Formats: sequence, C-alpha cells, structure tokens
Amino acid sequence: AQSVTQLDSQVPVFEEAPVELRCNYSSSVSVYLFWYVQYPNQGLQLLLKYLSGSTLVKGINGFEAEFNKSQTSFHLRKPSVHISDTAEYFCAVSEGNAGNMLTFGGGTRLMVKP
Amino acid sequence: DAGVIQSPRHEVTEMGQEVTLRCKPISGHNSLFWYRQTMMRGLELLIYFNNNVPIDDSGMPEDRFSAKMPNASFSTLKIQPSEPRDSAVYFCASSTQYEQYFGPGTRLTVT
Repeated sequence: AQSVTQLDSQVPVFEEAPVELRCNYSSSVSVYLFWYVQYPNQGLQLLLKYLSGSTLVKGINGFEAEFNKSQTSFHLRKPSVHISDTAEYFCAVSEGNAGNMLTFGGGTRLMVKP
Repeated sequence: DAGVIQSPRHEVTEMGQEVTLRCKPISGHNSLFWYRQTMMRGLELLIYFNNNVPIDDSGMPEDRFSAKMPNASFSTLKIQPSEPRDSAVYFCASSTQYEQYFGPGTRLTVT
C-alpha cells in the first residue's frame, strides 16, 4: 500500500525568502504525484502534477517540484514567497493501477511573515 | 465551467437530527469522492464512486453515514442521526483521469 509523508507540519518563512516543502512517498509501482494548496476556508486547489516526462514540474503561482524516483521524493519549491502564499499544502500520490484515487500526506502549513 | 458545487456551504444542526450534504460534480467527470477534514484527523476519504457505482466505502465511519449517486450529476452524503463528533468540513471532489477537483466544502457543526 502506498503512503505519503510530509515531514514538516509547519514551515515559517520570511517574505521574499525561498522555501522548500518536503514530500516522500512509498509505493512499489509507478506513481503520479500532485501538490495541492488550501487557503483558509476554501477547498483544495491543484498546484502542479507529475504524470511522466521531465522530472521538474512547474505549477501555478511560481511553484515548482522535482520528482526524484531514487529518493521517492517530490519536494515543492518557490524561490521567493509572498504573504499570499500562506496556506496549507498537501502532497498526494496516485498509483498507476489504482485509477484516480489519491493518497494524501498530512499537510504542511506554510506561514509567510513580513 | 462552474467547478464542483456543494450545498449547503454551512450547516448547523442539533445532535440527533438528519443532515444531508449535496454535491454536483464537474460535467463529464466519471469519478466522485467524499472527504472529511478535521484538525485532529486531517483529510479522510469517506467514499469513492466510479460511473455512479460505489467502489470503496471503507472510510465511512459507521452505519450512520450513507452516500448515494443516483446519476452522473448529483451525489448526497447523509448522516442520521448526527453527533457532535461529526462536526467537520466535508469536501466533494470529482475526477476524469488523474487529478481531482475539489468543491468549496460544507462546514458542518453539530451541537
């Protein structure tokens, strides 16, 4: 069975600083990988996804993530964060043979300070 | 496209009452998911439909919870009777192939 671990429950960072949110997964088959963002009192919104091809994936709002198969990781990065990036971020995995069911990590709360 | 539509957005009810949450998935999506989100447990998958058929309901907490999908454009999640521990945000999501698209959620408070 697959599982997703987001190592940091909270990440405080100053505005305009770079940030990395970590995500590791375990699976014995090929996977599809996703990052979602949840702003306060809203639903989850897709940031980016990896299905195949280039391991560096660019998403909305200047975020990018890199798929590393050997380390089973899919870390999310942004070179310069804004106050408006304050939100909860979820990493999710779908196994190739499991249809479109997703397994979510526990989430990381990004807190951007002025 | 209007996205996934959920109603009501907020529901406050008393313990013991029946609660029905509604979801309209994105047109053309053949999979529908119900999730529950709480501070203590995070995001939990309750049930998953594919082509209107329940595929996995192992996340449904107990018999008080039931879900239906009578057609491709509508689904309900019913709690009867409701209890204070059911207080949470309930999300509906739909999908066609890979990623899921989430609705805005229904915030349920059971007093």
